[in-house]
Amino acid sequence: NAGVTQTPKFQVLKTGQSMTLQCAQDMNHEYMSWYRQDPGMGLRLIHYSVGAGITDQGEVPNGYNVSRSTTEDFPLRLLSAAPSQTSVYFCASSYRGSTDTQYFGPGTRLTVL
Amino acid sequence: AQSVTQPDIHITVSEGASLELRCNYSYGATPYLFWYVQSPGQGLQLLLKYFSGDTLVQGIKGFEAEFKRSQSSFNLRKPSVHWSDAAEYFCAVGDAQAGTALIFGKGTTLSVSS
Repeated sequence: NAGVTQTPKFQVLKTGQSMTLQCAQDMNHEYMSWYRQDPGMGLRLIHYSVGAGITDQGEVPNGYNVSRSTTEDFPLRLLSAAPSQTSVYFCASSYRGSTDTQYFGPGTRLTVL
Repeated sequence: AQSVTQPDIHITVSEGASLELRCNYSYGATPYLFWYVQSPGQGLQLLLKYFSGDTLVQGIKGFEAEFKRSQSSFNLRKPSVHWSDAAEYFCAVGDAQAGTALIFGKGTTLSVSS
């Protein structure tokens, strides 16, 4: 099993550009989530999904969009990148949800100029 | 809604000394509590978790944590710290209610001095 994979590992964008961060898992997990990590702020939840076709907002959803068309994939879209979105993004998955062990991807480091 | 507080932003411990990292949570029912560790430049790895039963839980790498309902705490401990334990540690709380999210504290950075 590859576990949770994220692409790209690094990305530099200009303000206003859009892009999609990819996340995939091969463990047949129902629950997937996206966090951003900023110094001194810990991990803040952006969006999460409890299954294909079901998504919900987390603590900091503005400027981000998600969809879950398959169990395996949970892409995160930046609609119009802003410098405030410079961060490290982590995708995580688990079998049952927030009460279960989360498996994290290696992260994507995003810089918005 | 549940929340997690880690009062210590940064702790320095001498190698071989004992360690305690504090975690306080706010939650109405019995929480699902976790400790994760993040080594520099890496993703997060689960150290241990508490759902119910024995309030002292053992984890990987020699770590343990004790759940104290009266104090709303879930502190992480290790009897003797190794230099390789230098990392960032996150406490998290989950909700048994279906469709809810896992909430993390802001983390504690552990430095180990020789």
